[in-house]
Amino acid sequence: EAAVTQSPRNKVAVTGGKVTLSCNQTNNHNNMYWYRQDTGHGLRLIHYSYGAGSTEKGDIPDGYKASRPSQENFSLILELATPSQTSVYFCASGDACFYAEQFFGPGTRLTVL
Amino acid sequence: GEQVEQRPPHLSVREGDSAVITCTYTDPNSYYFFWYKQEPGASLQLLMKVFSSTEINEGQGFTVLLNKKDKRLSLNLTAAHPGDSAAYFCAVSQGGSAKLIFGEGTKLTVSS
Repeated sequence: EAAVTQSPRNKVAVTGGKVTLSCNQTNNHNNMYWYRQDTGHGLRLIHYSYGAGSTEKGDIPDGYKASRPSQENFSLILELATPSQTSVYFCASGDACFYAEQFFGPGTRLTVL
Repeated sequence: GEQVEQRPPHLSVREGDSAVITCTYTDPNSYYFFWYKQEPGASLQLLMKVFSSTEINEGQGFTVLLNKKDKRLSLNLTAAHPGDSAAYFCAVSQGGSAKLIFGEGTKLTVSS
């Protein structure tokens, strides 16, 4: 069965600090995605990747970086966290075709104080 | 770019009633459509995906209707029960892109 895991599940960070959110998938999917979920906005795409070594900007990439060191792992990096980045972050994976569904991880709740 | 509008943002129904959630989209090149369910505190789970120009898909307790002419996608829970209480999201993808554009979500509450 599809498996996407995220760590940490909860994180409290200070303004200006560096935060790394990690995602691992065992689906052998080429594509991986990072979204944030805020009330009234649904899910918004931050970064995505087509495979190891590739990262692409999504719809709201400002203030975020991404890293895809391997097929299985995809990280989201906040170099200088701000309170506006307080949110719930979801990672997803999917096959490399535009009719493929995406499988979501459990989410990470990030609070930036 | 594509924009997806989902209505209503909140919906409260009694057990046994029907509940209808609708999404409209703008880009006629949108080809593939998805409905996800998110239970409180949980992740998103795929309910159904539809591809054809006009399609009715029936799942367990719900019906999905796609009308490409009107650029409208709807989810109809035919006889809602408390276990259906969750947030529901539509998502749209376009040919040539692996990205999904999500609606803002509908929080459904079913009371017994």
